[in-house]
Amino acid sequence: KQEVTQIPAALSVPEGENLVLNCSFTDSAIYNLQWFRQDPGKGLTSLLLIQSSQREQTSGRLNASLDKSSGRSTLYIAASQPGDSATYLCAVCGSARQLTFGSGTQLTVLP
Amino acid sequence: EAGVAQSPRYKIIEKRQSVAFWCNPISGHATLYWYQQILGQGPKLLIQFQNNGVVDDSQLPKDRFSAERLKGVDSTLKIQPAKLEDSAVYLCASSFFLSSTDTQYFGPGTRLTVL
Repeated sequence: KQEVTQIPAALSVPEGENLVLNCSFTDSAIYNLQWFRQDPGKGLTSLLLIQSSQREQTSGRLNASLDKSSGRSTLYIAASQPGDSATYLCAVCGSARQLTFGSGTQLTVLP
Repeated sequence: EAGVAQSPRYKIIEKRQSVAFWCNPISGHATLYWYQQILGQGPKLLIQFQNNGVVDDSQLPKDRFSAERLKGVDSTLKIQPAKLEDSAVYLCASSFFLSSTDTQYFGPGTRLTVL
């Protein structure tokens, strides 16, 4: 059974800092890994999707890497802004095309 | 493009009562998912539909939960009778097709409180 762990559970940083969120998973037989953002009272928004054959994906200030053999992914956020404050969820897509989510990292960027 | 719609947004009921949630996916999306998200946890898949057929309902507590997707479009998730531990946000998501490259698009969710 796939298990996804995210560290840290919560993170508070001053505006402008670069930061890294971590995700680990137990079963390396995955199709892709996705990072989502969740704002309070709202649904999830997809940020980046990395196929199992890829090593990284970039979108604006976000960069996600994938090391399938070690079961790890990182989400790098450059020059953080208060608007980046949200919960970030990592999800792994397995053989049944289903997503297994981590518990998330709650990020607060202080002005 | 309209997103995934869900209603109601909030629901408060007493234990042993029944409740139903509705989801309207993005037009043309064949795959529909229902997730349960308990406070402080990531979403957990309850049931997955491809058109109007069930792909996976292995994590759906079938003694009290039921779901249907008539005509392969809208879907309804029902809980009968509700328990205290059912308090959670119920998220609906849809994707164009059942593929590893498809992103799932999520609705705003229904927050259920069982007293």
